[in-house]
Amino acid sequence: DAKTTQPPSMDCAEGRAANLPCNHSTISGNEYVYWYRQIHSQGPQYIIHGLKNNETNEMASLIITEDRKSSTLILPHATLRDTAVYYCIVRPEGVYSGGGADGLTFGKGTHLIIQP
Amino acid sequence: DVKVTQSSRYLVKRTGEKVFLECVQDMDHENMFWYRQDPGLGLRLIYFSYDVKMKEKGDIPEGYSVSREKKERFSLILESASTNQTSMYLCASSFYENSYEQYFGPGTRLTVT
Repeated sequence: DAKTTQPPSMDCAEGRAANLPCNHSTISGNEYVYWYRQIHSQGPQYIIHGLKNNETNEMASLIITEDRKSSTLILPHATLRDTAVYYCIVRPEGVYSGGGADGLTFGKGTHLIIQP
Repeated sequence: DVKVTQSSRYLVKRTGEKVFLECVQDMDHENMFWYRQDPGLGLRLIYFSYDVKMKEKGDIPEGYSVSREKKERFSLILESASTNQTSMYLCASSFYENSYEQYFGPGTRLTVT
């Protein structure tokens, strides 16, 4: 699996856009970029994923560079409730193919702190 | 919205007790997962199920078993709880078509004394 690199922490003012970068220079052609977050003492929360086109949903936007070696998660209007650890991972999209379960594993992620 | 619920938020058990953790999802997902999360060790997969009565071992299945008798329910069983099983236990579910888009429950913080 491709490894990802994220800054350990970031601050953002409430109401501003939060832009969280992720490097994944060894990503392979069939791997998607996924973003999750985990608010303190809660379960992880799926945010968004994409292959090469930019993606947007009700929570965030995902911008993937043309060479696919890096991406940015954008929270357009950050609120205090967005303070969390954000994880970027790469995985293929598709059905489980057998041969042993392969769950999610998170690195250290980025601790995003939204300042009032 | 996907909802994954877990039977307890906090649980305290004694060494040697049999412990049942229950998870229910309401999105008709085929896949269900049990993880544990520990500081410094991150998220680790215990067991995975891709269909009723089907299960696959994850990275750390020792000391645990699972049961999936109905599609919406996935149970984790600690046959004889030990102190090293004190942890946050997380259940997740996903559609069969994309096993990495997972939806998690709130977690059960289990303490074994």
